[in-house]
Amino acid sequence: EDQVTQSPEALRLQEGESSSLNCSYTVSGLRGLFWYRQDPGKGPEFLFTLYSAGEEKEKERLKATLTKKESFLHITAPKPEDSATYLCAVQAGERDDKIIFGKGTRLHILP
Amino acid sequence: SAVISQKPSRDICQRGTSLTIQCQVDSQVTMMFWYRQQPGQSLTLIATANQGSEATYESGFVIDKFPISRPNLTFSTLTVSNLSPEDSSIYLCSVSLGTQYFGPGTRLLVL
Repeated sequence: EDQVTQSPEALRLQEGESSSLNCSYTVSGLRGLFWYRQDPGKGPEFLFTLYSAGEEKEKERLKATLTKKESFLHITAPKPEDSATYLCAVQAGERDDKIIFGKGTRLHILP
Repeated sequence: SAVISQKPSRDICQRGTSLTIQCQVDSQVTMMFWYRQQPGQSLTLIATANQGSEATYESGFVIDKFPISRPNLTFSTLTVSNLSPEDSSIYLCSVSLGTQYFGPGTRLLVL
């Protein structure tokens, strides 16, 4: 069964303290891995898509990387406004439409 | 990307009633999706709604409980029928433009 596991469930960092969030997956035929940011009371906001091992994408203080078994979302020198839940999702198999989400990592950046 | 709106943004309903959620997109899209996000949980796909055809429901979701309409390429509705407290969740619509983009969600509380 296709599965996406994110760790840690929650993370508290001081402003400026860099860290990484993990997304491990077991799927048959990965077609894409997605990172989203979700603020309380809002829908997920798309951040990145990664398609193959070794690929990296960057946006401001965020960098996403992909291996054959997991993805990391690296946060460099975070600010309080980076506080949110970060969701990882994968698209696998033959279906164009279905993506499977992990439970997310709740990130809290302390000023 | 796409601009997606949902109505209502939140509602409180009595047990046994129904709630219809509207989803409007600013461009024509083939695939629209409905997700449920229960408290503290990940997003779970309810169904895929393609214009001009019956919605496709995921395992554990049935049409009698979650009827969906897709009258045109920019609009869809999800009805949650015969509400019980277990239906209290955030309901999200999304569209696929290669990547899935999400609406702001509808927060439902069933008393």
